[in-house]
Amino acid sequence: NAGVTQTPKFRILKIGQSMTLQCAQDMNHNYMYWYRQDPGMGLKLIYYSVGAGITDKGEVPNGYNVSRSTTEDFPLRLELAAPSQTSVYFCASRAGTGGAYGYTFGSGTRLTVV
Amino acid sequence: AQKITQTQPGMFVQEKEAVTLDCTYDTSDQSYGLFWYKQPSSGEMIFLIYQGSYDEQNATEGRYSLNFQKARKSANLVISASQLGDSAMYFCAMREATSGTYKYIFGTGTRLKVLA
Repeated sequence: NAGVTQTPKFRILKIGQSMTLQCAQDMNHNYMYWYRQDPGMGLKLIYYSVGAGITDKGEVPNGYNVSRSTTEDFPLRLELAAPSQTSVYFCASRAGTGGAYGYTFGSGTRLTVV
Repeated sequence: AQKITQTQPGMFVQEKEAVTLDCTYDTSDQSYGLFWYKQPSSGEMIFLIYQGSYDEQNATEGRYSLNFQKARKSANLVISASQLGDSAMYFCAMREATSGTYKYIFGTGTRLKVLA
């Protein structure tokens, strides 16, 4: 059971480039989330999805896009990368509809925009 | 607006001693959930413990317990018998009230260093 898999683990982008951060889970979780973690800060929600075909914006969605064509995959697209997008990106998923379920996180993608 | 506050940027504790990491929250909702996560230097996020707002007993998971004081809106994490492997960042999080989305908001974290 792989859990939540994120690729790549590290990436350096030049300003203006685009890329897709991949996230896949094999636990059949409906709920999936993208967070970013800036140095010394907590995690801020970028986008989330409550099921295939359904996505919505979080707290800091500008400069990002997502899609959810399958239950397993939730890729995050960065268009026209900017230095402000330098961060560690975490994908997470959640089982069930009960309140007690915690997130299962991926191992993170460390992105630097230069 | 809902908010999580962790006022201790860093803490030190001697190995084998207990330590309390503070977390206060602000919400007007009656039903909510509180979580603690551990982030070691390797960077992954590890779920430690959960407390529901209607739970009458404090949550416990092994050496972790959550000191839940609802009236004071605090949800402090207590680690007993600290081990060197407990050195990490610790994040408190709260499940947002918006139904059906299970979004969490996170505090800024506390960095714990366990001393040998």
